[in-house]
Amino acid sequence: QEQLQESGPGLVQPSETLSLSCTVSGGSISRTGYYWGWIRQPPGKGLEWIASIHYSGNSFYNPSLKSRLTISVDTSKNHFSLRLSSVTAADTALYYCARWSMLDRQGWHFDLWGRGTLATVSA
Amino acid sequence: NFMLTQPHSVSESPGKTVTISCTRSSGSIATNYVQWYQQRPGSSPTTVIYEDNQRPSGVPDRFSGSTDTSSNSASLTISGLKTEDEADYYCQSYDNNKQCWVFGGGTKLTVL
Repeated sequence: QEQLQESGPGLVQPSETLSLSCTVSGGSISRTGYYWGWIRQPPGKGLEWIASIHYSGNSFYNPSLKSRLTISVDTSKNHFSLRLSSVTAADTALYYCARWSMLDRQGWHFDLWGRGTLATVSA
Repeated sequence: NFMLTQPHSVSESPGKTVTISCTRSSGSIATNYVQWYQQRPGSSPTTVIYEDNQRPSGVPDRFSGSTDTSSNSASLTISGLKTEDEADYYCQSYDNNKQCWVFGGGTKLTVL
């Protein structure tokens, strides 16, 4: 059964860089038909898409965050990562990694989610 | 980029039917598929409707989706409400111009 597992530092100092990783297990990240991405949810608030990447390296970013974001993929380790620089308290959130399916047989949607990792920005 | 606007909350009694709307601020709702995700407290979101009106396997047919170009909105309808349907529901679509995925603000469904 394919799963996604996020990992992150938990606590980040203001103005520093948040680094997150998502490990894909039970299947290869190097398959056509999927984008791998990050979605966050501040405490008590809604979902916000952050960025997505294809195993080929093709990537998309939320325009409102783009200047602070880097998403990357490591096919040898079957994981993808996110870096968010110059963080503030507004970046405190539960960060999910999620898979976007573009396969006709599965449908176009975020069909697989991790359980999320909480990142708190605080001094 | 466009916004997707949902009511903050809705409530209905068990056994009844509820509809949650999702209005696109600019551009046609028909331009890109709309998805609906259910998020129960403490859990990750799961898909209940994809591609406007398709249900993933395992989602009961009490859940249905539709779009309406006259109101430029999508709707999620849940019939025969059960207490287990109490959750937050998010609509989601894609912005071709900005090449980004967009979520609505979410609707809290209370079944009382």
